[in-house]
Amino acid sequence: EAQVTQNPRYLITVTGKKLTVTCSQNMNHEYMSWYRQDPGLGLRQIYYSMNVEVTDKGDVPEGYKVSRKEKRNFPLILESPSPNQTSLYFCASSLLRGMPDTQYFGPGTRLTVL
Amino acid sequence: SQQGEEDPQALSIQEGENATMNCSYKTSINNLQWYRQNSGRGLVHLILIRSNEREKHSGRLRVTLDTSKKSSSLLITASRAADTASYFCATDERGSNYKLTFGKGTLLTVNP
Repeated sequence: EAQVTQNPRYLITVTGKKLTVTCSQNMNHEYMSWYRQDPGLGLRQIYYSMNVEVTDKGDVPEGYKVSRKEKRNFPLILESPSPNQTSLYFCASSLLRGMPDTQYFGPGTRLTVL
Repeated sequence: SQQGEEDPQALSIQEGENATMNCSYKTSINNLQWYRQNSGRGLVHLILIRSNEREKHSGRLRVTLDTSKKSSSLLITASRAADTASYFCATDERGSNYKLTFGKGTLLTVNP
């Protein structure tokens, strides 16, 4: 089944404890992206990647890191999480940008930073 | 910065009625997409309309795009309780280097 998977789905952590949220897609998509969703603010893009080893900042990249060593994986790293990073996070992928394109979303990761 | 802005923020209708949601944006776009999100879950793509298209249909969905007014509308006909969800427009800005920008969404409630 074609899908985007994220792990973990739920995470409660404490300030300063490094964490990684994994994202994997099995559709051979070139483009992958991370978003956070907060009440009243909608979805905001954190980072995106157009291909392996190519990453760019979105609207709210501060406090996050990403890597794209393989086409299928795009982990989101929080080196020193803070309470303002408590949010619902979504990973998405699409086949090829440059043409009008659909994004496929993962199920989301609900992160709470205490 | 927020590109698309949906209107209204919330809409409550009875089953069988039509629901219309609007999206306004600020800059030139390559295309505009509509997504649906059931509470707390991932977004699901509904329909994409290109900047050179004016109207598109998919089942009970009808999308229009007016690039002169920088606005789009999503019409859901003969609504069902299962249509209850949040609906987001997303724009692919021209020259944005492949960035898709989402609005804040319209929460649609369809009462049985």
